Amino acid sequence: QITLKESGRTLVKPSQTLTLTCTFSGFSLTSSGMGVGWIRQPPGKALEWLALLYSDGDKRYSPSLKSRLTITKDTSKNQVVLTMTNMNPVDTATYYCARRPRVGAHFDPWGQGTLVTVSS
Amino acid sequence: QPVLTQPPSSSASPGESARLTCTLSSDINIGGYNIYWYQQKPGSPPKYLLYYYSDSDQGRGSGVPSRFSGSTDASANTGILVISGLQSEDEADYHCMIWSNSGGVFGGGTKLTVL
Repeated sequence: QITLKESGRTLVKPSQTLTLTCTFSGFSLTSSGMGVGWIRQPPGKALEWLALLYSDGDKRYSPSLKSRLTITKDTSKNQVVLTMTNMNPVDTATYYCARRPRVGAHFDPWGQGTLVTVSS
Repeated sequence: QPVLTQPPSSSASPGESARLTCTLSSDINIGGYNIYWYQQKPGSPPKYLLYYYSDSDQGRGSGVPSRFSGSTDASANTGILVISGLQSEDEADYHCMIWSNSGGVFGGGTKLTVL
């Protein structure tokens, strides 16, 4: 069974840096072509793709957020970490991590998500 | 950055078919993209449903019923999710997605109500 779970601070102040950890099981990020991505969803709004990390270390970022995002992995811990700098109230959203399988370019499955609120 | 446009809402009755659309911006041609569809129920993460590129290149996620299918209308530059034999449990938000040269792009989502 493949599972992913997001963790990190759920309340951050404006201008602070957000660090989220995705801890997964049931697959390995050492498998060729495997990936883990981050997607967010503001309350009542659309999904927004943020970043993607492949098993070979290749990283992709949303062009509009690229300057604020960093995605890394700790293969030994089965974790992928997303950091987002200079947080703003508009960044308030549920943040999801999801697996991108070796075959196909979809996200499946997704973690339950974690609601991050940006407020002073 | 491409834009995917989905109607905010749609409705249909049980047993009928629902046709949900995802229109790509004019700067990209749907013929060159896989369209991915996700279902999201309140309080839950999105669930992968299927992808559609062509009749010979498409696939459903594990456990997704054959009632869910994809297609495109090239003349309208639009991807389509068809749900046949609607059931009350199909009431949810549906999101389309593509991978562009600059990364992943989601549509705004359509809330499907089963009357």
